[in-house]
Amino acid sequence: EVQLVESGGGLVQPGGSLRVSCVASGFSFSSYEMNWVRQAPGRGLEWVSYIHSGGVSRHYADSVKGRFTVSRDNAKSSLFLQMNNLRVEDTAVYYCARESVLTGSPSDYWGQGTLVTVSS
Amino acid sequence: DIQMTQSPSSLSASVGDRVTITCRASQSVSSYVHWYQQRPGKAPKLLIYNSATLQSAAPSRFSGSGSGTDFTLTISSLQPEDFATYYCQQTYSPPQSFGQGTKLEIK
Repeated sequence: EVQLVESGGGLVQPGGSLRVSCVASGFSFSSYEMNWVRQAPGRGLEWVSYIHSGGVSRHYADSVKGRFTVSRDNAKSSLFLQMNNLRVEDTAVYYCARESVLTGSPSDYWGQGTLVTVSS
Repeated sequence: DIQMTQSPSSLSASVGDRVTITCRASQSVSSYVHWYQQRPGKAPKLLIYNSATLQSAAPSRFSGSGSGTDFTLTISSLQPEDFATYYCQQTYSPPQSFGQGTKLEIK
């Protein structure tokens, strides 16, 4: 069974840093591209970041570029999002999502999410 | 960047009704539109991919259509568990983007 489990969320002050993690199981993690998607309270879904299966290519939303860094450890089936210089508007549930190998690359599995709250 | 606009933003319907949700892209996205269902407090779940292909385990009462800029999600006969929020997503051109969501509520 495919599972994605996020962790590392919490309360952080504006300007602070946090690293959230996603541990995958039930599939060959190193063969899949992954994304981070976030959802602010009461709001819709916002794509945040993408990483290639081998980690060679990474992309970011303009809203987080220069502040967030995505990485992965394929040996440990783990995905990470390092978030620096956090802003109040970064408050959201952060989901990791697997990109399907199907044409079109929909996100076919999602974790349960981890809540990041940025507040003084 | 491609903008995805869903309509309506919210919809009230009854069990057994047929409902249609529309998603419009700001430029052509071919057929690379996917639909997700999100229940309160839960992660999104893939329902339909590439405009019209039903994800395995998704009920057959869900269907999708469209290409280019205009897409629809149809639920043929609403069931109690279908009351949720639905999102479209395009993956044709990076950055991928989502519609703002359509909240389906019980009338």
